[in-house]
Amino acid sequence: AQSVTQLGSHVSVSEGALVLLRCNYSSSVPPYLFWYVQYPNQGLQLLLKYTTGATLVKGINGFEAEFKKSETSFHLTKPSAHMSDAAEYFCAVNPSRYGSGTYKYIFGTGTRLKVLA
Amino acid sequence: EAGVVQSPRYKIIEKKQPVAFWCNPISGHNTLYWYRQNLGQGPELLIRYENEEAVDDSQLPKDRFSAERLKGVDSTLKIQPAELGDSAVYLCASSPGQSETQYFGPGTRLLVL
Repeated sequence: AQSVTQLGSHVSVSEGALVLLRCNYSSSVPPYLFWYVQYPNQGLQLLLKYTTGATLVKGINGFEAEFKKSETSFHLTKPSAHMSDAAEYFCAVNPSRYGSGTYKYIFGTGTRLKVLA
Repeated sequence: EAGVVQSPRYKIIEKKQPVAFWCNPISGHNTLYWYRQNLGQGPELLIRYENEEAVDDSQLPKDRFSAERLKGVDSTLKIQPAELGDSAVYLCASSPGQSETQYFGPGTRLLVL
């Protein structure tokens, strides 16, 4: 069965430091991959996605992620953390495609990012 | 463009009571999803609609949960009767028919006492 693993349920970084949130997936075929961010009491907002093409994907708010097929990973990074980055981050995969063209996600359990002043 | 709208934002009920959640997707989005997000977990799909047809409800506990999407626009998710374990955030999302990106609403936080 397909699954998504996010290593570290809580990550703390200092303001200005590198942010690295890890995501590994298991899928029998290369999936589509996503990172979402969730601020308190809000829904999920898409940060970035990988479907095909370039394996380094740039998203909003200075985040980027690299799809590494050999490592089955899609880690999220940001060179310099900002206080406003404090939120919960979810990695998601779409391992299958419905005939209608829409997709079914499997979400990881999330990583809560804390940014220290 | 307006986003996905959900109401109510918060609901507190006693166990065995019924409860309903409402979702208005982004205009023109044919696909609508209901997710449940338990504390400290990622969202889990309950049901997916293509227009007014429920095409994936394999994860919906049908003994107490029901959903409808009349006219292929708004949707309602109902729980009757609610149990303590139903306390969670219920998220609605929508997507255009040919897009892989889902757009989420703010969710309804349910507390069952």
